[in-house]
Amino acid sequence: SAVISQKPSRDICQRGTSLTIQCQVDSQVTMMFWYRQQPGQSLTLIATANQGSEATYESGFVIDKFPISRPNLTFSTLTVSNMSPEDSSIYLCSVEVYSYNEQFFGPGTRLTVL
Amino acid sequence: SQQGEEDPQALSIQEGENATMNCSYKTSINNLQWYRQNSGRGLVHLILIRSNEREKHSGRLRVTLDTSKKSSSLLITASRAADTASYFCATDGGSQGNLIFGKGTKLSVKP
Repeated sequence: SAVISQKPSRDICQRGTSLTIQCQVDSQVTMMFWYRQQPGQSLTLIATANQGSEATYESGFVIDKFPISRPNLTFSTLTVSNMSPEDSSIYLCSVEVYSYNEQFFGPGTRLTVL
Repeated sequence: SQQGEEDPQALSIQEGENATMNCSYKTSINNLQWYRQNSGRGLVHLILIRSNEREKHSGRLRVTLDTSKKSSSLLITASRAADTASYFCATDGGSQGNLIFGKGTKLSVKP
């Protein structure tokens, strides 16, 4: 398995500001993803964080709104830019452990935008 | 787009009873995973079942997979109040190697 931590665990932000969420894994992993879970909903993929290159975004998500960095195989950041109340969600990073094909998730970041 | 659809959407049982949740999906898969989420926290990985497996056990959990019907079930035996959570199934096959999640079943176990 993999142990994943996220910071911050929660935040309350003002409209128009930006928040950067960090994801740290205890081992090197190839595949790292960012998901969004809107209130009462299931998880939706935002993008795949690629090490050393630009993230690959799912339809409906754009780099200007959700810039992602992945400087190495254990760390990634997701920024939620120019926030609006509609961005209030739980943001989760996940990693795939190749030898088992299992995907593990971080504890999530609960974001509230006022 | 969502692949899995859980049913029921909500389930309320008494402690000690068994809970069964079902998941249906639309396309071919290599594997299917079940997760638990407590009160909007992170997802806890419960079990992965591969397309060539029909049944898998882990403690009080039993998962079945019927690829001909494109469905899976999660059985929790002798439920406890601590099992109260939302349960999601997720299939592989996302275009980026990501998982595709169902809408989840909200389980409430009353002491």
